[in-house]
Amino acid sequence: GDSVTQMEGPVTLSEEACLTINCTYTATGYPSLFWYVQYPGEGLQLLLKATKADDKGSNKGFEATYRKETTSFHLEKGSVQVSDSAVYFCALWVRGGYNKLIFGAGTRLAVHP
Amino acid sequence: DGGITQSPKYLFRKEGQNVTLSCEQNLNHDAMYWYRQDPGQGLRLIYYSQIVNDFQKGDIAEGYSVSREKKESFPLTVTSAQKNPTAFYLCASSNPGQGTEAFFGQGTRLTVV
Repeated sequence: GDSVTQMEGPVTLSEEACLTINCTYTATGYPSLFWYVQYPGEGLQLLLKATKADDKGSNKGFEATYRKETTSFHLEKGSVQVSDSAVYFCALWVRGGYNKLIFGAGTRLAVHP
Repeated sequence: DGGITQSPKYLFRKEGQNVTLSCEQNLNHDAMYWYRQDPGQGLRLIYYSQIVNDFQKGDIAEGYSVSREKKESFPLTVTSAQKNPTAFYLCASSNPGQGTEAFFGQGTRLTVV
């Protein structure tokens, strides 16, 4: 079945360090891919998305490229801030049939000054 | 402003009681979802609905029930059959036909006392 696999956390970084959170997926169709962010005690907010192969989503300095050949959608940021500390979820949505969003397990990021 | 609203934010339930969590959206979205999140874990799909008067079980539907009598409303009932209901519950909505992202409510934290 369709699934999303994320690297396990927590990821602990110093401010201004580079970030990569790996995400790979398995899907029978042609999924749209998303990264969501969750701050403590809150719901999820969309961070970025890509709807077809080779698309690059970007927002707030974060980027992710839809790689069909490696079925990946890794999240990257060149210089993290303390305010980026949160839980990040990779997700996919596959067209057709009963549509539903499928989430990875989430990766907690902690950035220290 | 358009959005998705969950209520209450905090809910306490005695063992053996049924409780209903509210989810309302004014985004004119066709699809709505309920997820459960346990501490330090990812999101698990409870139920989802693509259109009014139709809904499907997700991965952990046992002990839960839903209704979709109106497009804007998708209440979740946690029944006494749910053995471990203490969790954070998230409602979301989307328009899946275009692969658009899901919008999330702020969540309801349910605690059994």
